[in-house]
Amino acid sequence: QITLKESGPTLVKPTQTLTLTCTFSGFSLSTSGVGVGWIRQPPGKALEWLALIYWNDDKRYSPSLKSRLTITKDTSKNQVVLTMTNMDPVDTATYYCALPHGPFGVFDYWGQGTLVTVSS
Amino acid sequence: DIVMTQSPDSLAVSLGERATINCKSSQSVLYSSNNKNYLAWYQQKPGQPPKLLIYWASTRESGVPDRFSGSGSGTDFTLTISSLQAEDVAVYYCQQYYSTPPQITFGQGTRLEIK
Repeated sequence: QITLKESGPTLVKPTQTLTLTCTFSGFSLSTSGVGVGWIRQPPGKALEWLALIYWNDDKRYSPSLKSRLTITKDTSKNQVVLTMTNMDPVDTATYYCALPHGPFGVFDYWGQGTLVTVSS
Repeated sequence: DIVMTQSPDSLAVSLGERATINCKSSQSVLYSSNNKNYLAWYQQKPGQPPKLLIYWASTRESGVPDRFSGSGSGTDFTLTISSLQAEDVAVYYCQQYYSTPPQITFGQGTRLEIK
């Protein structure tokens, strides 16, 4: 059974750095072709892809957010960590981690998401 | 970036009737080397994460009812629900994942309601 769960702060202040952890089970990030992605959704708005990391440590970022994002993996802990610097109130959103279908960017398993509010 | 534009933004359809949602990409998502369209559709109900319905533009995910179908190629795509059920009330998103590894973008969403 594949599960993913996001964890991290629910409230961050403007200019702070957000660190989110995705803890997963039912698959391994050391298996060829496997990746984990992050997607966010501001309240009442559309989905926005943020980043992907693959089993071979290949990393892909949204061009518009690339300068602020870092994605890493800890295969031994079955975790993927996303950091986003210089947080702003417009970054208030539910942040999801998800498992893509092989090397392609189609997400067939999702975590429940974690709401992060940016406010002073 | 490839921009995905859905139409309409919202839609009200009677139970049992057909619902059609359109998605247009700013450039082709048809990969000539394998003749596959890198286009997916998701359904999102309130308070839930998105659920994958269709990928490769027309391949239904396992367990998705066959009243959901996807069509189109290149830059123009359609999600059709052949006979709307009450449980289909949701927001629907298209997504392109062109290239491997991908650069991913979603449409703005279409809200589907019962008339």
